[in-house]
Amino acid sequence: DTGVSQDPRHKITKRGQNVTFRCDPISEHNRLYWYRQTLGQGPEFLTYFQNEAQLEKSRLLSDRFSAERPKGSFSTLEIQRTEQGDSAMYLCASSLVPGNSPLHFGNGTRLTVT
Amino acid sequence: GDSVTQMEGPVTLSEEAFLTINCTYTATGYPSLFWYVQYPGEGLQLLLKATKADDKGSNKGFEATYRKETTSFHLEKGSVQVSDSAVYFCALSDAGGYNKLIFGAGTRLAVHP
Repeated sequence: DTGVSQDPRHKITKRGQNVTFRCDPISEHNRLYWYRQTLGQGPEFLTYFQNEAQLEKSRLLSDRFSAERPKGSFSTLEIQRTEQGDSAMYLCASSLVPGNSPLHFGNGTRLTVT
Repeated sequence: GDSVTQMEGPVTLSEEAFLTINCTYTATGYPSLFWYVQYPGEGLQLLLKATKADDKGSNKGFEATYRKETTSFHLEKGSVQVSDSAVYFCALSDAGGYNKLIFGAGTRLAVHP
């Protein structure tokens, strides 16, 4: 069990640029979640996948955000035309369903939009 | 919608002191309740959970009891250590167990020798 891996750890970008983050879940986990965490707040749910199907998207996920999990393994989260308000920690988590598996979180990708 | 409210931090304690971090929730149905911990520089880790009313979750000396009548899930530890310094998050998921989690804002705990 190598845990949930996220890349990059840090990303600094200029407003208006596009960014893409990657998440590699625990290998046998079929569910994958994306969360966003701003300073002093708890993580907020963005979206989740079961295998390759995106089952739910939060209203927080504007049209500039898109997530994919093409083969039911790793996932990418892309933000187009970044804004300063997008600056946050983006967390990925995975779990196994059915079963009693809790969510396992990665260390996150910290995005700074200048 | 469902929500979680935690006591504001930071909470500063001396080693071996008693810890309580309050958590209350609002939810339709019967959610599962969780405490996650985030140590400096690390990802969120599940600390303990409870899936139905009156269940007590426990781990590493921490305990929390699911109280449906007061919609609470307070975290307690009898004797904290410096190594317990971290941010603690209370969370709930909708009925059905581990699903989309809704988190509180987190409470930072600092334990001094």
